[in-house]
Amino acid sequence: EAGVTQFPSHSVIEKGQTVTLRCDPISGHDNLYWYRRVMGKEIKFLLHFVKESKQDESGMPNNRFLAERTGGTYSTLKVQPAELEDSGVYFCASSLRTAPYYEQYFGPGTRLTVT
Amino acid sequence: AQSVSQHNHHVILSEAASLELGCNYSYGGTVNLFWYVQYPGQHLQLLLKYFSGDPLVKGIKGFEAEFIKSKFSFNLRKPSVQWSDTAEYFCAVMQYGNNRLAFGKGNQVVVIP
Repeated sequence: EAGVTQFPSHSVIEKGQTVTLRCDPISGHDNLYWYRRVMGKEIKFLLHFVKESKQDESGMPNNRFLAERTGGTYSTLKVQPAELEDSGVYFCASSLRTAPYYEQYFGPGTRLTVT
Repeated sequence: AQSVSQHNHHVILSEAASLELGCNYSYGGTVNLFWYVQYPGQHLQLLLKYFSGDPLVKGIKGFEAEFIKSKFSFNLRKPSVQWSDTAEYFCAVMQYGNNRLAFGKGNQVVVIP
């Protein structure tokens, strides 16, 4: 069974540019999460989708971040325009909607560097 | 503020030594507790979890953790580490009723052969 995949693995962009990160969850997982780890800090929750609906977006830092999950399959996280403080590793995770929904499976992450 | 605390962010020890990583949280109410591990070049993966029942939980690769409710702690232990245990370890808390994981800053553990 394929795990959670993320694309790209690395992205280097200049301040002010736009970047779109993609996450493909495990097939059949209705729950999809985005997290971010800024260097030296803890991994922080950004948002949670149940299928195509945003269940919880309390962790989104500001309106430069836009997450979508059209059709309830893969998700994208767009940062526009990117700022220096957006640099970090962006993780995606997925889980079942039924038990054990609490077991979140993580992707390898996308390392974003904003220069 | 609600938080998850992990101390001793960098730990270096020799093979066969015992390992204990502390985790304290400040969330009230019912919580679910997790330890995740990230081996070099690999994904974050679940090491063990506590939901209810026996406060001593056993996970993969010989790891165990003990939930002490009165101390708001969920410490991770392994009696005898191996070189392959070199990794970063994260404690995480999920409050009952939501799916968000709140992580500690992680412990970078290096095991010297």
